[in-house]
Amino acid sequence: DTEVTQTPKHLVMGMTNKKSLKCEQHMGHRAMYWYKQKAKKPPELMFVYSYEKLSINESVPSRFSPECPNSSLLNLHLHALQPEDSALYLCASSQRTGQGSYNEQFFGPGTRLTVL
Amino acid sequence: AQKVTQAQTEISVVEKEDVTLDCVYETRDTTYYLFWYKQPPSGELVFLIRRNSFDEQNEISGRYSWNFQKSTSSFNFTITASQVVDSAVYFCALSPAGNTGKLIFGQGTTLQVKP
Repeated sequence: DTEVTQTPKHLVMGMTNKKSLKCEQHMGHRAMYWYKQKAKKPPELMFVYSYEKLSINESVPSRFSPECPNSSLLNLHLHALQPEDSALYLCASSQRTGQGSYNEQFFGPGTRLTVL
Repeated sequence: AQKVTQAQTEISVVEKEDVTLDCVYETRDTTYYLFWYKQPPSGELVFLIRRNSFDEQNEISGRYSWNFQKSTSSFNFTITASQVVDSAVYFCALSPAGNTGKLIFGQGTTLQVKP
């Protein structure tokens, strides 16, 4: 299984809603990532989890809350979002080598989020 | 500073033409990795290649080839005999030393292959 899956594919939410994005991989990767991508722009890193621990938070607003319940799952909890948060949210995973390096990242299909 | 520049914003070719996508990077690290990803209209980024800074051998995979030149800090990507299915946004990315897992992306090149 060489796939990263993300649910839902599309999400429309109001500014007062609470929702969650889910990401799953079964490749045995021990690093997982959340990215945000606006139209015609490259992905912007939000969070990195390494061995289920948060290792990078790119100064993301607290209305985005990541969670890594186990080595295969990654969630992104959303609360009180703004319309400018509308974007494609991509999850990725990568292997960690014995030397501690990160290998190439494999991406999921993304969740297209619209905040009204 | 770490930076990736893809100077070509959009390229349009006719099917069967060869096309080269340019990537220039900046880093002071001696150890780093370079990547190319393809993003078709469906949205998923597809990994194409990883190259480490100590391996300057060019690589060929089917119609795809990559030319890595440390002397000019470039990692260019050539598609031979382009096809309509090659239409996508292509991103070059740099992973600096420090084992953080961060990828620094270029702005991307949109390739349109017309039939």
